[in-house]
Amino acid sequence: GDSVTQMEGPVTLSEEAFLTINCTYTATGYPSLFWYVQYPGEGLQLLLKATKADDKGSNKGFEATYRKETTSFHLEKGSVQVSDSAVYFCALAGFQGGSEKLVFGKGTKLTVNP
Amino acid sequence: DTEVTQTPKHLVMGMTNKKSLKCEQHMGHRAMYWYKQKAKKPPELMFVYSYEKLSINESVPSRFSPECPNSSLLNLHLHALQPEDSALYLCASSPRGIAGTGELFFGEGSRLTVL
Repeated sequence: GDSVTQMEGPVTLSEEAFLTINCTYTATGYPSLFWYVQYPGEGLQLLLKATKADDKGSNKGFEATYRKETTSFHLEKGSVQVSDSAVYFCALAGFQGGSEKLVFGKGTKLTVNP
Repeated sequence: DTEVTQTPKHLVMGMTNKKSLKCEQHMGHRAMYWYKQKAKKPPELMFVYSYEKLSINESVPSRFSPECPNSSLLNLHLHALQPEDSALYLCASSPRGIAGTGELFFGEGSRLTVL
């Protein structure tokens, strides 16, 4: 089945540092790719998405580019803030266990210190 | 209105109790989902309803019983749970099924503790 592998962390950065969270995927075809964010005590929110190769998703200063050649969708932000502290999940819309579903990576916890 | 509302936010129950979790959305979405999330893990899909019909059951034990009374409501009935069922239960919705955009709208979750 389809799968997502992401850098597990935890990642600890100082405010204004550069962030990269690596994500690679294995899938049949060219699935849509997503980054979801989960702030403490909350559910997940869609952060950004890309539906085809070379698409760049962006939101709140975060960016990720759908790279078909390297099967990657790395999340980047140029200058993180304390409010970015959360768990970040890379995901794809694909198939696993015979069902069509959102397939998640294991999540990366980011802590940003002032 | 872009919210998925879950109640209760916290629930503590004994292994012999019967309780229900509720989820509501008014975005006109036609697919609704239950996920289970353990600490420091990604959400695990449990059930999917598409156009009010159960379309996916991820081999979930029968002590969890989903119900979709109408297109806006989703319930999860709980009976004879085990302590290992303690987790955050997340409801989500999407305009269509995953075959659409794959974008899910999540509620804040119901934190369940089984004693």
